[in-house]
Parts: sequence; C-alpha cells; structure tokens
Amino acid sequence: GAGVSQSPSNKVTEKGKDVELRCDPISGHTALYWYRQRLGQGLEFLIYFQGNSAPDKSGLPSDRFSAERTGESVSTLTIQRTQQEDSAVYLCASSPGQGGTQYFGPGTRLLVL
Amino acid sequence: EDQVTQSPEALRLQEGESSSLNCSYTVSGLRGLFWYRQDPGKGPEFLFTLYSAGEEKEKERLKATLTKKESFLHITAPKPEDSATYLCAVQDNSNYQLIWGAGTKLIIKP
Repeated sequence: GAGVSQSPSNKVTEKGKDVELRCDPISGHTALYWYRQRLGQGLEFLIYFQGNSAPDKSGLPSDRFSAERTGESVSTLTIQRTQQEDSAVYLCASSPGQGGTQYFGPGTRLLVL
Repeated sequence: EDQVTQSPEALRLQEGESSSLNCSYTVSGLRGLFWYRQDPGKGPEFLFTLYSAGEEKEKERLKATLTKKESFLHITAPKPEDSATYLCAVQDNSNYQLIWGAGTKLIIKP
C-alpha cells in the first residue's frame, strides 16, 4: 500500500515569504506528526494530530508556525515570514493510533535564502 | 525527564566486521523502544519495536535487544549497503511522543 507522501520534495524561498508544506498520511492512520530535522541533527518534534485535533502544539518554535489537518487525512504545515534558521528538512509521520510505530514520509527540504 | 543517548556518534567498519550500536534510555515507564534507519536525503525507515526487557528481534543482518536501561542493535557481517544513520527512540506509558536519540552514523567500507 501507499506510504506517507509529502510535497513539495524541495522548496527554495526568499526570507520573509510564506510557505506551505503538505503531508498525506497512510490511509486509515488517525495520528499524524510533524518533525523538523536540521542538517546533521536529530529529529525535533513540532506538532501532533489525533484525528483533526492538535492536542499538543508545544513543539512549534514560534507563532510563525501553524498546522492544520482536514478530513482526518491531509495536513498542511505553514511557515509565515520565513527566516534563514527555518532551513531544514520537515518530516511527517503517521501511525494507526495514538502512540505506536510511526511511519515517515520522505520529507520536504526547505531552503530559505 | 525522559532521555535517549546513542553511542558511538559514528562508527566505521570494514565489510564483514560485526559490531553493536548502543541506545541508553531513561524513562518513567517504557511503552516501546523503536529503531529506525535513515539514509541521506530520506525519511527514517522503521526497523524494530521492542516492548519489554529480554525481547529480541531480527531482520537480515540486524538484531535488536532490550534491557531495562539500554538497547543494542547488533549488526553481523555488514555490507556497504548497511551504511546509514541508525536512530533510536523511546515512548513512555504516559505520553504518545517519541523521544529521539541523535543517531549513530554507520559507515561500512568495502
């Protein structure tokens, strides 16, 4: 079956622009996670969705970051007024329910010039 | 506070030279310990989940073991295609979040 997909695979933007990153989880997975991974670093948790609700937004680094999920499926991570420090790989994962094994997408590589 | 430490940070082996990667953890109550493999430019790929001390799981040249304080990922007779970063993560009973280690970068030279 289809795995987690993310788009775009690469995004280059100018400082100050807004960007939207998309995640399509595995069908039927109710939990969805966003992570950030800077070059050579570990995974940094951003936000978690259970269904369409986000019970934990504590990992979002600033109010420039927001995320939503609709139809218990697709999720969008939006970064407003991008800064150079936002350059990283943004990874999305999904799992069948709260907790348990997370399956990752290929990531979106964001470069802010 | 939950914590995961992986060692070594990097490991270079000759093809066929067996070794082990370590994942030490501190958690109030372990729900599960996860091993992933990450190739450059790709998302982490799930390898194993371990739930209780004494549990072992195998896949090809990899075997994961678990004690109450640490997990080992044993690699037997590795091949160059086993080169990757191996990530460990733990989940405790009270939290859905995974706490991640920084990873071990494994390089297998032909």
